[in-house]
Amino acid sequence: KAGVTQTPRYLIKTRGQQVTLSCSPISGHRSVSWYQQTPGQGLQFLFEYFSETQRNKGNFPGRFSGRQFSNSRSEMNVSTLELGDSALYLCASSFPAGGSYNEQFFGPGTRLTVL
Amino acid sequence: AQSVTQPDIHITVSEGASLELRCNYSYGATPYLFWYVQSPGQGLQLLLKYFSGDTLVQGIKGFEAEFKRSQSSFNLRKPSVHWSDAAEYFCAVVTTSGTYKYIFGTGTRLKVLA
Repeated sequence: KAGVTQTPRYLIKTRGQQVTLSCSPISGHRSVSWYQQTPGQGLQFLFEYFSETQRNKGNFPGRFSGRQFSNSRSEMNVSTLELGDSALYLCASSFPAGGSYNEQFFGPGTRLTVL
Repeated sequence: AQSVTQPDIHITVSEGASLELRCNYSYGATPYLFWYVQSPGQGLQLLLKYFSGDTLVQGIKGFEAEFKRSQSSFNLRKPSVHWSDAAEYFCAVVTTSGTYKYIFGTGTRLKVLA
């Protein structure tokens, strides 16, 4: 099985621009979560999508949004970029089964640099 | 509020030496606990997990971890470190009330001396 893929792997933007990152989960996985990783803050949970619905959300401003498509692929969008948005954005997929917890599988991440 | 603390930001050990990475969590109910490893330029890879049962869990690459409820700890150990173990290690707890949510520690970066 192919792993979680994220595109693009690297991105450079300027302040005020917006950006869209893409994540393709492992085939059959229906849950996709997004995380922001920075040296000072570690991994911060952004949101989780399951069957095209946002099921859980972290403490990030409304500039951060996401969506999930019927094939479970997910995108996250950051509008009006700020310097502090520079980070590694990680996507993780899992196959939740009837309320029990399953392992998350992580993609390699998208490195976003905001100038 | 739930939280995970990894008190050691950096650890340096010699190849062949033993390793223990500390993790403490704060969570009212029985947590699901995980250790992940991240190599440079890579995503996170699961080393091991604890859901219930035997408090000593074995993982991949020769790692093990012990859950101690009384100390709210889930420390990661390896008896003999290899140079390839140099990476960043993350402890995580998954909350089991309501929807499942991962909470990660800030990570411990391991350096291995030849």
